[in-house]
Amino acid sequence: GAVVSQHPSRVICKSGTSVKIECRSLDFQATTMFWYRQFPKQSLMLMATSNEGSKATYEQGVEKDKFLINHASLTLSTLTVTSAHPEDSSFYICSARVEAGWKEQYFGPGTRLTVT
Amino acid sequence: DAKTTQPNSMESNEEEPVHLPCNHSTISGTDYIHWYRQLPSQGPEYVIHGLTSNVNNRMASLAIAEDRKSSTLILHRATLRDAAVYYCILRDYNFNKFYFGSGTKLNVKP
Repeated sequence: GAVVSQHPSRVICKSGTSVKIECRSLDFQATTMFWYRQFPKQSLMLMATSNEGSKATYEQGVEKDKFLINHASLTLSTLTVTSAHPEDSSFYICSARVEAGWKEQYFGPGTRLTVT
Repeated sequence: DAKTTQPNSMESNEEEPVHLPCNHSTISGTDYIHWYRQLPSQGPEYVIHGLTSNVNNRMASLAIAEDRKSSTLILHRATLRDAAVYYCILRDYNFNKFYFGSGTKLNVKP
């Protein structure tokens, strides 16, 4: 099956710094990737849709200047949390969509971000 | 966004069948019904999906009501490894986005 990886799996950063999270589709090309955020004991919240070669589309209420998304190739999308604050601490999950057939999404293992 | 409603939690005994319900009364004619499950600190894992007809795969079965306003995920013999949060999601045909509901936490007792 299709495999999606994320790096790093865990990251701790200091308040005010920026951190980059990578999402890769390992065995298929993904023109579309999605970024989600999940707080403890809550469901996944869709943050943005990342399209290869174009600007990301953000969901309502998500700050595009704070969560920078780049989708430079068909296998890589990155999420940069800029000027991170403790309230940005969360579990960030990406997914990649297979464009053929019924367009299934395959999810990465997630990245645990802790801002101190 | 189409919404789904699921019970917060359910409990099952190992080796017994489990029926996880989902209500989606505002479903449109082109929305697909997807089920994913998530183990703690992991990304969601695909379980099954369908449109109108009942579906079976090696993991589970999906029973879809005739009016499509509800569906049931069936695990035929629950194991301890099936303990997870199960999400019922409606996929918008045009935009293909997933909006997750609150899910059902399934506990499996040995």
